[in-house]
Amino acid sequence: SQQGEEDPQALSIQEGENATMNCSYKTSINNLQWYRQNSGRGLVHLILIRSNEREKHSGRLRVTLDTSKKSSSLLITASRAADTASYFCMLTGGFKTIFGAGTRLFVKA
Amino acid sequence: NAGVTQTPKFRVLKTGQSMTLLCAQDMNHEYMYWYRQDPGMGLRLIHYSVGEGTTAKGEVPDGYNVSRLKKQNFLLGLESAAPSQTSVYFCASSSPGGGEISEQFFGPGTRLTVL
Repeated sequence: SQQGEEDPQALSIQEGENATMNCSYKTSINNLQWYRQNSGRGLVHLILIRSNEREKHSGRLRVTLDTSKKSSSLLITASRAADTASYFCMLTGGFKTIFGAGTRLFVKA
Repeated sequence: NAGVTQTPKFRVLKTGQSMTLLCAQDMNHEYMYWYRQDPGMGLRLIHYSVGEGTTAKGEVPDGYNVSRLKKQNFLLGLESAAPSQTSVYFCASSSPGGGEISEQFFGPGTRLTVL
């Protein structure tokens, strides 16, 4: 089955710094999505990138996708304390979805 | 709009008991999903539905059954609960996006403990 792996598992930065997290996978995908989860609550969609796209931006978020390396990265620029959360990549293929284990981001004020 | 709601929010079961988790969405979405999330892990897909009256197995379907009798509701059943089913359960919905899965909207979760 498809696998989504994320690194780092945890990341601690100062407010104002940039945060980068990575997602790697093993099989072909239709699209890749990033979600945020605060303290065990439901996930909130951040951004979707299709398999034929290489880069997308949304506010302070920048996502890249390299299908040849089967990897994606999420960059959060000028981080804020409110960005403290867990971030997950989700792969889609057909109707099924696969989540990575997540990166726990802590932004210190 | 309430979005995606889940009932109940918390539940404690004894081994062997049964229960049903209810998910409801008011966004007229075709696709609905049930996931479980264990501590420190990502979500794993249990079952999903691509339309009223249809269901399909996900990554971890054993021990669970589902039904989608109405478009807005997706029920997850545990016939004989086991301690390994202790988890947080999330429901999500999405609309068809040109033949691929688009943005998913998640409910707040149900925290289930099986003793």
